Amino acid sequence: ILNVEQSPQSLHVQEGDSTNFTCSFPSSNFYALHWYRWETAKSPEALFVMTLNGDEKKKGRISATLNTKEGYSYLYIKGSQPEDSATYLCAFSASSARQLTFGSGTQLTVLP
Amino acid sequence: DTGVSQNPRHKITKRGQNVTFRCDPISEHNRLYWYRQTLGQGPEFLTYFQNEAQLEKSRLLSDRFSAERPKGSFSTLEIQRTEQGDSAMYLCASLDGYEQYFGPGTRLTVT
Repeated sequence: ILNVEQSPQSLHVQEGDSTNFTCSFPSSNFYALHWYRWETAKSPEALFVMTLNGDEKKKGRISATLNTKEGYSYLYIKGSQPEDSATYLCAFSASSARQLTFGSGTQLTVLP
Repeated sequence: DTGVSQNPRHKITKRGQNVTFRCDPISEHNRLYWYRQTLGQGPEFLTYFQNEAQLEKSRLLSDRFSAERPKGSFSTLEIQRTEQGDSAMYLCASLDGYEQYFGPGTRLTVT
């Protein structure tokens, strides 16, 4: 049974604060690690897909790192804005079939 | 809009009734996945298709659940004799390379 853990479960920050979340996943049989952002009533939006140990990806104020040997990934948001409020999900795939095993998510609320 | 679409967006049904959901993936994507998300949890894998072939089913997919993708384009997920425990968000995704693109989901409430 694959177990993907995310922390914290929820987070409230002030506008302008920087924040980070953690995702831990099995370090064996790694294929890819995904980060999604999910706003209420919308489709989950893909942020990053990372496949190689040491990968670092960046999109605007959001960045992510990957350590496949120890089984963790960090997502960073610099200078949080109210529109960053969402649930951030990480998902792990262990095979080329690519079905995803998700964590429970981190619910971020950015207060103006 | 060329994204993944799902219909209906919301479904309320009485226990024991059958329901069917539809997913229209992005047109050139051969792989299609179904997931289910319950409150406080991340989405859980149910099944996936490569074109019209259903290649894998999770143990979560009981005998009351059936999924089809008859022409390798849209897919349907049917739940027979619904139970209150089936209340969840049902998500569909289609695959391009490594990336799965999700639809907005169908929220099922069984009363």
